[in-house]
Amino acid sequence: DSGVTQTPKHLITATGQRVTLRCSPRSGDLSVYWYQQSLDQGLQFLIQYYNGEERAKGNILERFSAQQFPDLHSELNLSSLELGDSALYFCASSPQGTSSYEQYFGPGTRLTVT
Amino acid sequence: AQSVSQHNHHVILSEAASLELGCNYSYGGTVNLFWYVQYPGQHLQLLLKYFSGDPLVKGIKGFEAEFIKSKFSFNLRKPSVQWSDTAEYFCAVKGQNAGNMLTFGGGTRLMVKP
Repeated sequence: DSGVTQTPKHLITATGQRVTLRCSPRSGDLSVYWYQQSLDQGLQFLIQYYNGEERAKGNILERFSAQQFPDLHSELNLSSLELGDSALYFCASSPQGTSSYEQYFGPGTRLTVT
Repeated sequence: AQSVSQHNHHVILSEAASLELGCNYSYGGTVNLFWYVQYPGQHLQLLLKYFSGDPLVKGIKGFEAEFIKSKFSFNLRKPSVQWSDTAEYFCAVKGQNAGNMLTFGGGTRLMVKP
């Protein structure tokens, strides 16, 4: 157990819908990272928040957005869902703002878009 | 931009065989390098990391990796694998001036036959 929790574990929804994935970092960690893992794209960095502010942005679509709340949990919002958005979404946390430090990964949320 | 290539997508070994998983990265400057492992049904966890200093890095569970700057490589090795090493292994790189993005390779699925 890494100490990072993600809910829900599984999510099945239809195209065009909107979903919210939730992540609670390890106690004391200020950074939250979101990743998407799919068969064709592999593990891709989406976005990072550090202490409530966006710190880095990767290959995140405009239909996706994230935020980090004062209690440091984070939510990833995916809207206008397409079949290609089906993937495993991981959250990771680390104590510092730089990704040079070890990241602790959650168990992931498996999103299936039908 | 930084990128990571893992040459072997699937590797099958018998117990006690030696393991070497290839990882090559593309980035012209200073890098931090990582190997993460994902055991079946579990979250990604850090095996080892290289920041600077001795290019031979030792990690958990008997794994080690060697950074060869001239070859842009960071290959993972283990002298004698066990059935419990069956997992997916990911190499990752963070370029010093590449923002705060951690870029992962496509992963290598290792199956160890008892």
